[in-house]
Amino acid sequence: KNEVEQSPQNLTAQEGEFITINCSYSVGISALHWLQQHPGGGIVSLFMLSSGKKKHGRLIATINIQEKHSSLHITASHPRDSAVYICAVVTGNQFYFGTGTSLTVIP
Amino acid sequence: DVKVTQSSRYLVKRTGEKVFLECVQDMDHENMFWYRQDPGLGLRLIYFSYDVKMKEKGDIPEGYSVSREKKERFSLILESASTNQTSMYLCASLGGTAYEQYFGPGTRLTVT
Repeated sequence: KNEVEQSPQNLTAQEGEFITINCSYSVGISALHWLQQHPGGGIVSLFMLSSGKKKHGRLIATINIQEKHSSLHITASHPRDSAVYICAVVTGNQFYFGTGTSLTVIP
Repeated sequence: DVKVTQSSRYLVKRTGEKVFLECVQDMDHENMFWYRQDPGLGLRLIYFSYDVKMKEKGDIPEGYSVSREKKERFSLILESASTNQTSMYLCASLGGTAYEQYFGPGTRLTVT
């Protein structure tokens, strides 16, 4: 049983395309994180959401608490956006992680 | 601006060796976590600690133990390393009112 489901698992896009990655969860949460991991690299937190929408540069994250769903959007995608994007939800002091979406942006 | 550090980026050990992985955070966070990350399986929780000297088993604690003698340091111990423990190990800390979470850079462990 996976508390967090992400889709798609793999995504290839042409440079400049608008990208959406989806995350659905089944537990009550206090916060949701979108994380980014480059090949061979550590993990960095892009966003922490508990409601609504946040924007940082070309990245936008939204969350719908009632529907238990979040999306990460990348506008005007670039090859340097190629990475694994992971959705993680916080409940109490525990994290539950999705298995990640591997994004490749082709020049 | 270092927040979470891990003792090694790459480590190669032999089967049966005792292995120590150390994690240090400088944010005074109460909660610290050890995960392993394997292709297709995502991040899996090994152990976590919510206070000094407190520890809780995660999803896959078998073959591992932990130690948290000081708030800033959380150690993962492989008592007798086996080849199926070859993996990327990630430490994280969580704290603050905004559920701030930070990951260390990871340790890629190979057991031969």
